[in-house]
Amino acid sequence: AQSVTQLGSHVSVSEGALVLLRCNYSSSVPPYLFWYVQYPNQGLQLLLKYTTGATLVKGINGFEAEFKKSETSFHLTKPSAHMSDAAEYFCAVRGNTGFQKLVFGTGTRLLVSP
Amino acid sequence: DTGVSQDPRHKITKRGQNVTFRCDPISEHNRLYWYRQTLGQGPEFLTYFQNEAQLEKSRLLSDRFSAERPKGSFSTLEIQRTEQGDSAMYLCASSPPRTGGINEQFFGPGTRLTVL
Repeated sequence: AQSVTQLGSHVSVSEGALVLLRCNYSSSVPPYLFWYVQYPNQGLQLLLKYTTGATLVKGINGFEAEFKKSETSFHLTKPSAHMSDAAEYFCAVRGNTGFQKLVFGTGTRLLVSP
Repeated sequence: DTGVSQDPRHKITKRGQNVTFRCDPISEHNRLYWYRQTLGQGPEFLTYFQNEAQLEKSRLLSDRFSAERPKGSFSTLEIQRTEQGDSAMYLCASSPPRTGGINEQFFGPGTRLTVL
């Protein structure tokens, strides 16, 4: 079974500051990990994913995440926040064999102030 | 290049009424998923279709819920005898045939259901 914990339901940063959104997972099999972004009244858009190989994954809009197996973490970072980054971010996990549903965390709302 | 579309975008109904939502996946995507997202929560998996076959169903999908995907194209999700607890955003996603790697799920904008 898989589960995801996202620490902090809200994160506030100033424009230009570092963005760090935390995600810890639990999985009984090697995990595939994902970050999605959701803007108001829109569906989810994939930011990046980790399957195998390089543990530092780069995604769209300047975001990246690092898979740390020893810490069971997959934190999302961006060096410099932009006002347009304000949205809800969801971390998700699934197993690596057969059909495995996506299991999402509860989300973190990123607020960016000028 | 159209994405996943869902209709309606918003639905307000009275308790006890039946509602039906439609999802049109991206063309040539043979896999289709339904999720439910309640306020302050992440999406929760409901059911999965590969072509027209419903292969996975969550415990969340009570007997009041039924999903179909005739001919492996669009899908419908029906809720009978709606309850206030059914109020949520219902998200549809689709993904292409597996080619050896992980196929991204592309999400639609969702249908927001409010049960009064």
